[in-house]
Amino acid sequence: GAVVSQHPSRVICKSGTSVKIECRSLDFQATTMFWYRQFPKKSLMLMATSNEGSKATYEQGVEKDKFLINHASLTLSTLTVTSAHPEDSSFYICSARSGGEYEQYFGPGTRLTVT
Amino acid sequence: GQNIDQPTEMTATEGAIVQINCTYQTSGFNGLFWYQQHAGEAPTFLSYNVLDGLEEKGRFSSFLSRSKGYSYLLLKELQMKDSASYLCAVSMNTNAGKSTFGDGTTLTVKP
Repeated sequence: GAVVSQHPSRVICKSGTSVKIECRSLDFQATTMFWYRQFPKKSLMLMATSNEGSKATYEQGVEKDKFLINHASLTLSTLTVTSAHPEDSSFYICSARSGGEYEQYFGPGTRLTVT
Repeated sequence: GQNIDQPTEMTATEGAIVQINCTYQTSGFNGLFWYQQHAGEAPTFLSYNVLDGLEEKGRFSSFLSRSKGYSYLLLKELQMKDSASYLCAVSMNTNAGKSTFGDGTTLTVKP
């Protein structure tokens, strides 16, 4: 149990376009989902926390108009990178947590490359 | 703010024991996670400590001292497959229960 999927696993896009990444909890209801960004040989940097049906809470320094997060259901959250630039190239990982539990279950990550 | 420190790299020999330390200075501490992450993959859960003391789980053990802001992950009988990055993460006692991660320790196990 406790499986989280992400789609796509890899995406290459041109500068200026937008990319949507999906995060799904397959066998549990995720009241909270987290979006992280990870640079090479660095740890996970929390970008935002999203709760189902409410606006995401962004960490300091993360542009909410650039990284649009939607958590429309208890099993799906999406991250849209708008007007992507090469510096947005990174590994994006989501995690999901069920209410009352401490453990986060991580998705397999999405490798975004902006050319 | 949150400040989490762990060594950048460690090397150990197959079959040996290695201890990875993590110190933290944080407000609203709830508990501490350890994750394993292989290159290009998502982190996998190893342990979660809330109370002081040592928790053992197979070859892996994790220790926490809340008063000292200190934790360690102990890996016994090292195997080559244990070569990975080990992430220490502090969980906050906010409603969202978000976690802040350290930069990770890259462990290389040599034959």
